[in-house]
Amino acid sequence: GAGVSQTPSNKVTEKGKYVELRCDPISGHTALYWYRQSLGQGPEFLIYFQGTGAADDSGLPNDRFFAVRPEGSVSTLKIQRTERGDSAVYLCASSLVGGLETQYFGPGTRLLVL
Amino acid sequence: QQQVKQSPQSLIVQKGGISIINCAYENTAFDYFPWYQQFPGKGPALLIAIRPDVSEKKEGRFTISFNKSAKQFSLHIMDSQPGDSATYFCAAANFGNEKLTFGTGTRLTIIP
Repeated sequence: GAGVSQTPSNKVTEKGKYVELRCDPISGHTALYWYRQSLGQGPEFLIYFQGTGAADDSGLPNDRFFAVRPEGSVSTLKIQRTERGDSAVYLCASSLVGGLETQYFGPGTRLLVL
Repeated sequence: QQQVKQSPQSLIVQKGGISIINCAYENTAFDYFPWYQQFPGKGPALLIAIRPDVSEKKEGRFTISFNKSAKQFSLHIMDSQPGDSATYFCAAANFGNEKLTFGTGTRLTIIP
């Protein structure tokens, strides 16, 4: 079956612009996670959805970052007033029911802020 | 505060040899320890995972050894193959707080 998909695969933007990153989880997975991976580092947790609600958003670095999952499936990560330090690979993962179920990762969106 | 420390940063092993990657954690609430494999341009993929009620778990050529008292765990890859060349991440989580905390990664290269 289809895995987690993310679009776009690459995004180049200018400092100060707004960007949206999309994640399509595996069908039927109720839990969805966003992570950010800087070059040479491990992924860092941003936010976790259980269904439509954000169960844990403690990893969002500041109020420029926001994520939604309005119908409990597709999720969008939104970054306002982008900064060069936001450049990273943004990874999405989903799991069947959350808990300690296996998280399946998408290929990521590589964001470059010039 | 880095809660999961991983070493070495890079590792070169000859084909057929044993690759060993180590991790140490600080948070004693962690009760789930997965290892992820990542190829360039791809997302991490779960390789093997262990819970702290056992000291070792083996799946094929991959083994996790877990030392609860030392708060350390390691990945052993037996009979390493060129196709194992990738970046490996250890991680930790605890039930009720399911976000994964990752180590910094080990770039493994298997040479012929």
